[in-house]
Amino acid sequence: DGGITQSPKYLFRKEGQNVTLSCEQNLNHDAMYWYRQDPGQGLRLIYYSQIVNDFQKGDIAEGYSVSREKKESFPLTVTSAQKNPTAFYLCASSKVRDRHNSPLHFGNGTRLTVT
Amino acid sequence: KQEVTQIPAALSVPEGENLVLNCSFTDSAIYNLQWFRQDPGKGLTSLLLIQSSQREQTSGRLNASLDKSSGRSTLYIAASQPGDSATYLCAVKGGSEKLVFGKGTKLTVNP
Repeated sequence: DGGITQSPKYLFRKEGQNVTLSCEQNLNHDAMYWYRQDPGQGLRLIYYSQIVNDFQKGDIAEGYSVSREKKESFPLTVTSAQKNPTAFYLCASSKVRDRHNSPLHFGNGTRLTVT
Repeated sequence: KQEVTQIPAALSVPEGENLVLNCSFTDSAIYNLQWFRQDPGKGLTSLLLIQSSQREQTSGRLNASLDKSSGRSTLYIAASQPGDSATYLCAVKGGSEKLVFGKGTKLTVNP
């Protein structure tokens, strides 16, 4: 079955360390996204990419970095510059062709705790 | 700037009841509106997508309507079941082509 795999499910890090969250999809989607979800808040867009080797900042990109070297993969690095990194991180993908009729597909998320 | 509001934030109903979840948005220039379901600790599952030219979409016991001019959408769930308990989120896609999400309605269906 096609889908989006995020790993690991839980991640613990010490303050000051960079950490990379993995996201892989086998849906053959061109567009991929990273969202952050905090209690009591809506999802907020961190970065998105519509094609390999190209990506754009979302609404809260500061302290994060991404790469898109392969269509299937869109890893997110949370750097030590991110002031409040503890959150639930969600990766998503969608088609670009017929994009206004293409729903967003999500992975099961990674819960990052930084102490 | 697009803002999406979902009311109520939480809803508790007895099993078998028909119910309506509400979503409102401030900018009517949208491409589509999407409804999602989120179970605790999980990602979002797409339920329904309504394009801006459509008035409603149906899937099983779910029916979503869209009134773009008034900036409103409703998600109707018929004959609710305990398995419907989850958080329901709506999101709109506007001119920036980014999805803007509401904070969700947490639904509890009691057996």
